[in-house]
This record gives sequence, structure tokens and C-alpha cells, in this order.
Amino acid sequence: GQQLNQSPQSMFIQEGEDVSMNCTSSSIFNTWLWYKQDPGEGPVLLIALYKAGELTSNGRLTAQFGITRKDSFLNISASIPSDVGIYFCAGPPTGTASKLTFGTGTRLQVTL
Amino acid sequence: DTAVSQTPKYLVTQMGNDKSIKCEQNLGHDTMYWYKQDSKKFLKIMFSYNNKELIINETVPNRFSPKSPDKAHLNLHINSLELGDSAVYFCASSLVRQGGYTFGSGTRLTVV
Repeated sequence: GQQLNQSPQSMFIQEGEDVSMNCTSSSIFNTWLWYKQDPGEGPVLLIALYKAGELTSNGRLTAQFGITRKDSFLNISASIPSDVGIYFCAGPPTGTASKLTFGTGTRLQVTL
Repeated sequence: DTAVSQTPKYLVTQMGNDKSIKCEQNLGHDTMYWYKQDSKKFLKIMFSYNNKELIINETVPNRFSPKSPDKAHLNLHINSLELGDSAVYFCASSLVRQGGYTFGSGTRLTVV
């Protein structure tokens, strides 16, 4: 089946640093979504991307839909302690609009 | 007001028992899902219901049986629990063909 690989698998950064992570797929996606999961909670949608090349921001978060439609990127600027969590990319495989496939996740730790 | 609520939050049970997890959403969504998150935090879809009709049934043992009495509820019943069923189970909902799922806070199932 579809596999979404995220890198890095985990990151340890200092408060105030910028963060970059990416997600790659073996096939084309028409929608890319980025979710964040806090400990003990369910994933929460951060940003949705619907068009190749699209760049969308949500506060300190910026995500891009790759031109090849096989990848997406998420950047977090000036990280703060509450950014800690697991970040997942996700998308519906082509032809299955009602089923989201999730990436392997990037675990972010922020130190003071 | 909790948008997607799951009960119980924690469930510890012995092998061989039968247990149920309940899910309710008050968002007016027409599609509901069950996801399983393993110890490596990988999220995998199990089932999807649209307007009470099963539309996705991934390769899940038939010991798992979802039931949707109405559009706002999707319950998961598990028979003859096994150690390998230990995981966090997430309920989610969406409007069909919209990528943004809303997740519940999860049910941590531990089989001993």
C-alpha cells in the first residue's frame, strides 16, 4: 500500500530555533495535510495543501506542496516549548478521497 | 463541547475478554473512522463508515466489529482480545471528500 516517509524521525532543538521536516511518497498525492499530536491526545490538523507548489502559513508554521506532488515540507519558525509533539503528514491516496494515509511521524523535542 | 468523544480513555483487560469502545461526534460529519496507533506511533486506518454504511474495511481480524447506529456514533467491539491488540485506538470524523479529519483523544487499550 501507500507509504509516506517522514524525516527526520526525531529532532531535539533549542527554543527559538527554526525547524524543517519533510514527507515523501512513492506516488502522487492531490492533497497534503499536516497534523500535530500532543502526548495523550489525538492528531490535530495544522495545515492543508491542495495544489502543487502551494505555500501556506498558519502562524509560525509554513507548509509547502511539492511540485512533483510526491512530497511536502513543514517549517516551524522560532520554536517554543509547546511545539513539542509528533508531526504527521497525511493524504488521501489517489482515488480514495475518504481514506487518509499517515506518515511515519517526526517527533519534536524542544529544550529551553 | 467535545467534538469527537471516545470512551473509555483507558481500558485494561485480560486476554480472551470482549470489550467495546464508543465514539460520538457532534460536528454533523457524515463519515467516521477507526484508526489504530501502535507503539511506534504509526497510525493505520481500520474502518470507515459513511452515513452508517461501511465503506472501508482494511485488513483487520474479524474479531474487530464496528457498529454505527447512526451518523453521529461509531462503536468498536473486539472479541477474544489478544496481547497484540494493545494499542491506542482513535476515532475520527469528517465530511466525505474533505481531507480534514477531527480526531478523538484516543482509547489506550492494554491487554494483559
